Amino acid sequence: EAQVTQNPRYLITVTGKKLTVTCSQNMNHEYMSWYRQDPGLGLRQIYYSMNVEVTDKGDVPEGYKVSRKEKRNFPLILESPSPNQTSLYFCASSWRGVSYEQYFGPGTRLTVT
Amino acid sequence: GENVEQHPSTLSVQEGDSAVIKCTYSDSASNYFPWYKQELGKRPQLIIDIRSNVGEKKDQRIAVTLNKTAKHFSLHITETQPEDSAVYFCAAGGAGGGNKLTFGTGTQLKVEL
Repeated sequence: EAQVTQNPRYLITVTGKKLTVTCSQNMNHEYMSWYRQDPGLGLRQIYYSMNVEVTDKGDVPEGYKVSRKEKRNFPLILESPSPNQTSLYFCASSWRGVSYEQYFGPGTRLTVT
Repeated sequence: GENVEQHPSTLSVQEGDSAVIKCTYSDSASNYFPWYKQELGKRPQLIIDIRSNVGEKKDQRIAVTLNKTAKHFSLHITETQPEDSAVYFCAAGGAGGGNKLTFGTGTQLKVEL
């Protein structure tokens, strides 16, 4: 089954404790990205990757890191989480860039206390 | 960068009526305009998209129109049904707008019986 998976689905952590949210797709997609969803603000792009070893900032990259060492995986790293990073996070992938359907993962609900 | 404004933020219609959601974008270089539907607790899913070389596109009860001169595009849902109740997001990006996808803030559509 073609899908995008994220782990964990729910996470409660404390300020400053490094965490990683994993994202994996099995569709051989070139483009992957991370979004955060906050009430009233819609979906905001954090980082995206056009292919292996090619990543770039989205609209809200501060406080986040990403890497793309393999085509299927695109982890999101919060090295020192803060309460303002409490949000719902979605990973997405598409065949080739933003001009194609984005397939979203199930989401990760992160709470930073 | 791209800025997408979406209106209204909430929309309530009677079953069988039509619903229209409007978006404006700022970057004339953007050439791809998708619409995503997000049901409660679920991930966003593409329902229709349009590229800048097309003025209108239809898929059964949904249609999207694009006015490049005015930099706005709209989603039209006819004969609304209760299962159309969801949050709808417009987005813009692609081509000269780069590899980012910028979303609007969403419209909560409620279809009442």
